[in-house]
Amino acid sequence: NAGVTQTPKFRVLKTGQSMTLLCAQDMNHEYMYWYRQDPGMGLRLIHYSVGEGTTAKGEVPDGYNVSRLKKQNFLLGLESAAPSQTSVYFCASSWGGLMNTEAFFGQGTRLTVV
Amino acid sequence: DQQVKQNSPSLSVQEGRISILNCDYTNSMFDYFLWYKKYPAEGPTFLISISSIKDKNEDGRFTVFLNKSAKHLSLHIVPSQPGDSAVYFCAAKRQGGSEKLVFGKGTKLTVNP
Repeated sequence: NAGVTQTPKFRVLKTGQSMTLLCAQDMNHEYMYWYRQDPGMGLRLIHYSVGEGTTAKGEVPDGYNVSRLKKQNFLLGLESAAPSQTSVYFCASSWGGLMNTEAFFGQGTRLTVV
Repeated sequence: DQQVKQNSPSLSVQEGRISILNCDYTNSMFDYFLWYKKYPAEGPTFLISISSIKDKNEDGRFTVFLNKSAKHLSLHIVPSQPGDSAVYFCAAKRQGGSEKLVFGKGTKLTVNP
């Protein structure tokens, strides 16, 4: 059981380049999330999805777009990367709804924008 | 405005002693609280949770206490082990909303042999 898988694990981008981070989960979870972790800042929510075809903004959505075309996948896009987007990105998924359960996290993607 | 606060960036304890990690929250709508543990270069992993209808939840060496009136929760680890050395994140959410987890900034626990 793979759980939550993030691709790629590492990436270096030049300012202005674009890229897509892929998150896949095999637990049939309804809810999926993208967080970024920066030193001293904890985990901040970028975007999330409460089901296939839905997306919503989190705490720090600017500069990012997301799509959830399939229930198991949640894509995070950077259209024009900036050095401020250098961070570690974590995807997570959970059952959601009325069930109080935990979210499961992927291993993270370390992105450096130069 | 930080809704979940972990005011101690770091904590150091001796092996075998108790570790107490603290967390405060400001949003009275939060009704479910979780602790996650994170090792370097890995994703956070779920440790223990507590619903707002309880004031204590225990799982082996880990116990979480919730004081709703003070909007405070704590994680107790007894006895502490070197393998417990990690960053611990407190998180909270409001049931029935968007199910978003709001995280604190984390506390780095070091357990010395």
